[in-house]
Amino acid sequence: DVKVTQSSRYLVKRTGEKVFLECVQDMDHENMFWYRQDPGLGLRLIYFSYDVKMKEKGDIPEGYSVSREKKERFSLILESASTNQTSMYLCAIGGLLNTEAFFGQGTRLTVV
Amino acid sequence: GENVEQHPSTLSVQEGDSAVIKCTYSDSASNYFPWYKQELGKRPQLIIDIRSNVGEKKDQRIAVTLNKTAKHFSLHITETQPEDSAVYFCAASSNNNDMRFGAGTRLTVKP
Repeated sequence: DVKVTQSSRYLVKRTGEKVFLECVQDMDHENMFWYRQDPGLGLRLIYFSYDVKMKEKGDIPEGYSVSREKKERFSLILESASTNQTSMYLCAIGGLLNTEAFFGQGTRLTVV
Repeated sequence: GENVEQHPSTLSVQEGDSAVIKCTYSDSASNYFPWYKQELGKRPQLIIDIRSNVGEKKDQRIAVTLNKTAKHFSLHITETQPEDSAVYFCAASSNNNDMRFGAGTRLTVKP
């Protein structure tokens, strides 16, 4: 059974705080993705990584950074949280050359 | 980068009718087109996928068609049931390993 685990289900943070969202997988997959999900906008790609220490910007990277020091862990960092970053954040993993993506359970982040 | 558009945003059908959701993509290098179903409060899960070397794929009541020339692909659900009610997402991916999603379609199947 595939496990993609996000560190928190719900988070409430204050404007200006630095926020870390963690994602851990047990599938040894190369690809890891961070998306944010907002009503009417679907799943928008923030960043993805295809290898340790490698990262690629997605469509909405502004205000975010990522870290992948180990293959199984992919972290999303909000350098200075703002209210417009209130959203559901989903981590996903996938194999090389396009295979099924498996999602974590999501983190609902509220920035106040 | 890739841009995926999905229509309609909402779809309501009677139980037993068919449902069709359509997506277009912009990057001719895209070669993998999965469809995900997200039930309320749950994570998205793959229901069917198609690669660019085939035009159609079927799995029981669901099927996907791909038109590479026109850069569009569609999900077809026949004999819909109330448990098909969910949000459906199409996606497109290339050998660059990125995966872009459409905005989603909320399908409601009325009993």
